Amino acid sequence: EAGVAQSPRYKIIEKRQSVAFWCNPISGHATLYWYQQILGQGPKLLIQFQNNGVVDDSQLPKDRFSAERLKGVDSTLKIQPAKLEDSAVYLCASSLAGTGFNIQYFGAGTRLSVL
Amino acid sequence: AQKVTQAQTEISVVEKEDVTLDCVYETRDTTYYLFWYKQPPSGELVFLIRRNSFDEQNEISGRYSWNFQKSTSSFNFTITASQVVDSAVYFCALRYNQGGKLIFGQGTELSVKP
Repeated sequence: EAGVAQSPRYKIIEKRQSVAFWCNPISGHATLYWYQQILGQGPKLLIQFQNNGVVDDSQLPKDRFSAERLKGVDSTLKIQPAKLEDSAVYLCASSLAGTGFNIQYFGAGTRLSVL
Repeated sequence: AQKVTQAQTEISVVEKEDVTLDCVYETRDTTYYLFWYKQPPSGELVFLIRRNSFDEQNEISGRYSWNFQKSTSSFNFTITASQVVDSAVYFCALRYNQGGKLIFGQGTELSVKP
């Protein structure tokens, strides 16, 4: 079974530029998550989708970050414009359902450097 | 508030030593779930184990074992006879019964030297 796919693996941009990350979850997984992991810290949730609807985006900086999950399968996370503090690894995860005991499976992440 | 604390930032051991990674959590919920993940240098978070709050039975899987104690709000992870391949950052995480996000600790970086 294929895992969670993310691209690109690395991205370097200058501040104020735009960037987009793509995620394809495990087949059949209804719930998709985007986490931000700053160096030396644990991941923090940015947004959670259930199929193509948003369940939790309370920690998403909506003035610059946006995400969508059209057709309830793959998802795109965008930053526009990027700031220096956005330098981090962006992890996508998926699970069969959004309830507590379900395991979240993670992709390898996209490492973003904002110069 | 829900919180996970991994007080050990870095641990360094020599191969074949046993090592315990500590995890202390805070929650007011009576039903919750605990997880451990491993993050090797490649970056992908690899699921290791999950526990629900009603199951305090300890678990052993090969060289790995987990000790869950509700009385002390701890969910510690022990690696017996550590190997170089165990070198990674290990995260403990907490989740509500209703689902949603994982709340991660800061992680413990384990370095196993030959």
